Amino acid sequence: AQSVSQHNHHVILSEAASLELGCNYSYGGTVNLFWYVQYPGQHLQLLLKYFSGDPLVKGIKGFEAEFIKSKFSFNLRKPSVQWSDTAEYFCAVGTNTGNQFYFGTGTSLTVIP
Amino acid sequence: NAGVMQNPRHLVRRRGQEARLRCSPMKGHSHVYWYRQLPEEGLKFMVYLQKENIIDESGMPKERFSAEFPKEGPSILRIQQVVRGDSAAYFCASSPRQGGEKLFFGSGTQLSVL
Repeated sequence: AQSVSQHNHHVILSEAASLELGCNYSYGGTVNLFWYVQYPGQHLQLLLKYFSGDPLVKGIKGFEAEFIKSKFSFNLRKPSVQWSDTAEYFCAVGTNTGNQFYFGTGTSLTVIP
Repeated sequence: NAGVMQNPRHLVRRRGQEARLRCSPMKGHSHVYWYRQLPEEGLKFMVYLQKENIIDESGMPKERFSAEFPKEGPSILRIQQVVRGDSAAYFCASSPRQGGEKLFFGSGTQLSVL
């Protein structure tokens, strides 16, 4: 069965530290990949997405993610986190036909000032 | 503890019919969110409900769409007189409390309008 795995359930970092959140998926076909963020008290927002082309995608607020097809991974990175990045981060995978979509269980990021 | 349950998994309707999408939140969760995903796009927030109350419906189209979360039973997203543009995947998520609580997602309902 298709699935999305986020290995880090809770990450705690100090400001200015670098961030990498793992996301792996299991699906044999062509996929669209997403990272979403949920800030405290707010709704989900799209951070970035990958459909095709350059496997290194840049999103809002300095985030980027790299699609490594051979590893079925789409890890989220940020060189230097800020306190305001404290949030819940969700990886999601959709099939290219758009009719199947799977969420990871989320990673809670806490950034300490 | 069962996760967020959405049904049906797939729903096919003809133009002009009504679509009812159901979402049973996780046990103990009283907050429900509905999102729509159009093909090759990200999720779009539609509505946020707490038991018997609509808290935020800023993402709901003004016409034909409605949502409820009764005291007993699942949350229902209702689309009247469906049109082809309503074809999408609709996701429900629940949380135990508002504000910073982790969302738990259902597996979605794929609505196809013929």
